[in-house]
Amino acid sequence: EAQVTQNPRYLITVTGKKLTVTCSQNMNHEYMSWYRQDPGLGLRQIYYSMNVEVTDKGDVPEGYKVSRKEKRNFPLILESPSPNQTSLYFCASSSGAISYEQYFGPGTRLTVT
Amino acid sequence: TQLLEQSPQFLSIQEGENLTVYCNSSSVFSSLQWYRQEPGEGPVLLVTVVTGGEVKKLKRLTFQFGDARKDSSLHITAAQPGDTGLYLCAGHTTSGTYKYIFGTGTRLKVLA
Repeated sequence: EAQVTQNPRYLITVTGKKLTVTCSQNMNHEYMSWYRQDPGLGLRQIYYSMNVEVTDKGDVPEGYKVSRKEKRNFPLILESPSPNQTSLYFCASSSGAISYEQYFGPGTRLTVT
Repeated sequence: TQLLEQSPQFLSIQEGENLTVYCNSSSVFSSLQWYRQEPGEGPVLLVTVVTGGEVKKLKRLTFQFGDARKDSSLHITAAQPGDTGLYLCAGHTTSGTYKYIFGTGTRLKVLA
């Protein structure tokens, strides 16, 4: 089954404790992206990648890091999480065909206390 | 910063009614997508529109891309309770990148 998976689905952590949210896709997609979704603000793009070792900033990259060492994986790293990073995070991937249609993962709900 | 304004934010209607959701920007998009999101799940793509003036139909849903590629609308005919959900528009901002702007969403509730 074609899918985007994220782990963990739920995470509660404390300020300053480094964490990684993993994202993996099995569709051989070139493009991958991370978003955060907050009430009243919609989905905002954090980082995206158009190929292995190629990443670029979205609209809200501060406080986040990403890497793309292999095509299927695109982890999101929070080096020193803060409470304002409490949010619902989505990973998405796209083949780039037909105007970059995106397939989303199920989401990771992160709470930073 | 490019913005996509979606309206209305909330809509509660009776089964069988028609409705239209709007997505507007001052920016030109190379393509625009509509998604539907259920609680606890990621958005699911409904349609992509690419050409100015393009109209696409998906059963009772009709999507239109503005002539200038700055706006779009989603029209639902004879809404059903199964149409309930969060509808999101998303603009692909710059050709050759994977940069996207999402609207804030329209939360639709269709009452039986």
